[in-house]
Amino acid sequence: GQQVMQIPQYQHVQEGEDFTTYCNSSTTLSNIQWYKQRPGGHPVFLIQLVKSGEVKKQKRLTFQFGEAKKNSSLHITATQTTDVGTYFCAGIVYGQNFVFGPGTRLSVLP
Amino acid sequence: KAGVTQTPRYLIKTRGQQVTLSCSPISGHRSVSWYQQTPGQGLQFLFEYFSETQRNKGNFPGRFSGRQFSNSRSEMNVSTLELGDSALYLCASSLEGREATDTQYFGPGTRLTVL
Repeated sequence: GQQVMQIPQYQHVQEGEDFTTYCNSSTTLSNIQWYKQRPGGHPVFLIQLVKSGEVKKQKRLTFQFGEAKKNSSLHITATQTTDVGTYFCAGIVYGQNFVFGPGTRLSVLP
Repeated sequence: KAGVTQTPRYLIKTRGQQVTLSCSPISGHRSVSWYQQTPGQGLQFLFEYFSETQRNKGNFPGRFSGRQFSNSRSEMNVSTLELGDSALYLCASSLEGREATDTQYFGPGTRLTVL
């Protein structure tokens, strides 16, 4: 079945440093979504990528969808303590359920 | 617009009991999906309901079941609880669900503890 992996599992950074998490799917995806879950909270939608090679930016966050539509990345520039949380990617194949990656837990040290 | 609501927020049960969790989606959303979240397994898809029909099901035993009502509200039932069922159960609603790969809006979850 479809599998979605994420690396790293954990990342500790100093405030101001950059952070990147990578998402890889075993199958070609229709599209990919990214979610953020704060400690004690629930996943909140960040963005959806649909096109091969697509790049989208949200302030300090940059999302990229691979050319083969099997991988994606989320890059945060100059992390802040408010960025703390777990970042999940969800791979979607049309007609099938969302498959979430295991998440990358980000800690930001002030 | 009100968000996704789930009740109860916390629940403590003992092994062998059964439990019913409730989810009210965002108004106008017809798809409701259920997920189990544990520290070890992450977010695991349980099932999705659309227009009162189960459209897709994850790899969980038959003890896990659900249903959806005509107003799109959904319930999830777990029978013969086991210790391993302790988890955060999240409900997510979307307009059309997987067919249109909509954004999913998650509820706050129900934290189930099985003793």
